[in-house]
Amino acid sequence: QVQLVESGGGVVQPGTSLRLSCAASGFRFSSYGIHWVRQAPGKGLEWVAVIWYDGSKVKYVDSVRGRFTISRDNSKNTAYLQMNTLRAEDTAVYFCARVGYASSVDGMDVWGQGTTVSVSS
Amino acid sequence: QSALTQPPSASGSPGQSVAISCTGTSSDVGGYNYVSWYQQYPDKAPKLMIYEVNKRPSGVPDRFSGSKSDNTASLTVSGLQAEDEAHYYCSSYAGSDTVVFGGGTKLTVL
Repeated sequence: QVQLVESGGGVVQPGTSLRLSCAASGFRFSSYGIHWVRQAPGKGLEWVAVIWYDGSKVKYVDSVRGRFTISRDNSKNTAYLQMNTLRAEDTAVYFCARVGYASSVDGMDVWGQGTTVSVSS
Repeated sequence: QSALTQPPSASGSPGQSVAISCTGTSSDVGGYNYVSWYQQYPDKAPKLMIYEVNKRPSGVPDRFSGSKSDNTASLTVSGLQAEDEAHYYCSSYAGSDTVVFGGGTKLTVL
């Protein structure tokens, strides 16, 4: 079945790095863009980044630009989020989601179960 | 990249209809017909309920409908059922290939 599975979360200290992975199955991964969306404890959803189906374009929310890097390896059906210089405010559950419709990057039709990142000293 | 504005809570009795609003600006909601709505149960991943303002993905009941007027989009849930009790989030295309979410609305079925 169509599925996204995140991994790589954990507890880290401020200023350190972490790389999240998003493994896809059940669909042609190389044909779809991928988003990362996060949700801080008890808070709402926040869009973080998007990568085009072929990796040709990436976009970020202002608060992570320059610290986070989104990438993908279509040969491994996997997208990544490299997070550097982590801050306490990056603590959240991180979801990856598929861009569902060619008309716009909005409209995320498949979501993973999320992986938890906790930044604390 | 300011969050869209949603009411923190909404409620209705079984069988009733309830509408949840999502207010943005001319740079996001008002500028494009790309508004989505997501349903999220506690500790679960969000689920797409509406995309492109008023389109329903396959499998979403037709009790869920979307609309938009100027800078405000709305999700209407008709014939409320107990299983509709969840958080609902709107999102919008915000230009330059970016997306912005609303703060979320907790829907309670009385």
